[in-house]
Amino acid sequence: GNSVTQMEGPVTLSEEAFLTINCTYTATGYPSLFWYVQYPGEGLQLLLKATKADDKGSNKGFEATYRKETTSFHLEKGSVQVSDSAVYFCALFERADKLIFGTGTRLQVFP
Amino acid sequence: DTAVSQTPKYLVTQMGNDKSIKCEQNLGHDTMYWYKQDSKKFLKIMFSYNNKELIINETVPNRFSPKSPDKAHLNLHINSLELGDSAVYFCASSRSGTGGNEQFFGPGTRLTVL
Repeated sequence: GNSVTQMEGPVTLSEEAFLTINCTYTATGYPSLFWYVQYPGEGLQLLLKATKADDKGSNKGFEATYRKETTSFHLEKGSVQVSDSAVYFCALFERADKLIFGTGTRLQVFP
Repeated sequence: DTAVSQTPKYLVTQMGNDKSIKCEQNLGHDTMYWYKQDSKKFLKIMFSYNNKELIINETVPNRFSPKSPDKAHLNLHINSLELGDSAVYFCASSRSGTGGNEQFFGPGTRLTVL
């Protein structure tokens, strides 16, 4: 079946460092891909999405490119802030409005 | 105005009890979901409803019964609570669509079974 694999966390960075969180997927066809973010004590929020191969989703300085050759959708940000500390979930869209989530990657950014 | 709201925010109860969690969305969406997030943050879908009709039921014990009185509400009733039911439960909603529309999540209900 379809699945999403994320790098294990936590990822610990200093403020203004470059961020990469790896995400790879297994799916039939080319499903839409998402990154959701969960801040402490809150529900998940959509960060960005890409609906087809080579699409780049971007929001709040974060970017991810849908790469069908490597079945990947890695999340990147050029300069992280303390306020970016959260858990990040990669997800793919399956049938009937079902999202398959990865296990989540905790990001901790220190001043 | 809160888009997706859940009550209660915290729920502490004894094993064997029956409890309910309520969810309401004011976004006009036609699809609603329940997710379970365990202590390791792993998030798994439990149910989804589209226009009050059950669409997804992911191998969840019969003790869990969702109820959708209308499109804006999806409640979760749990019978005979067990220790393993302790988790954070999230409600979410979206517009239905073939490409995957954004899901809006509630703030979560932390259930602790003693």
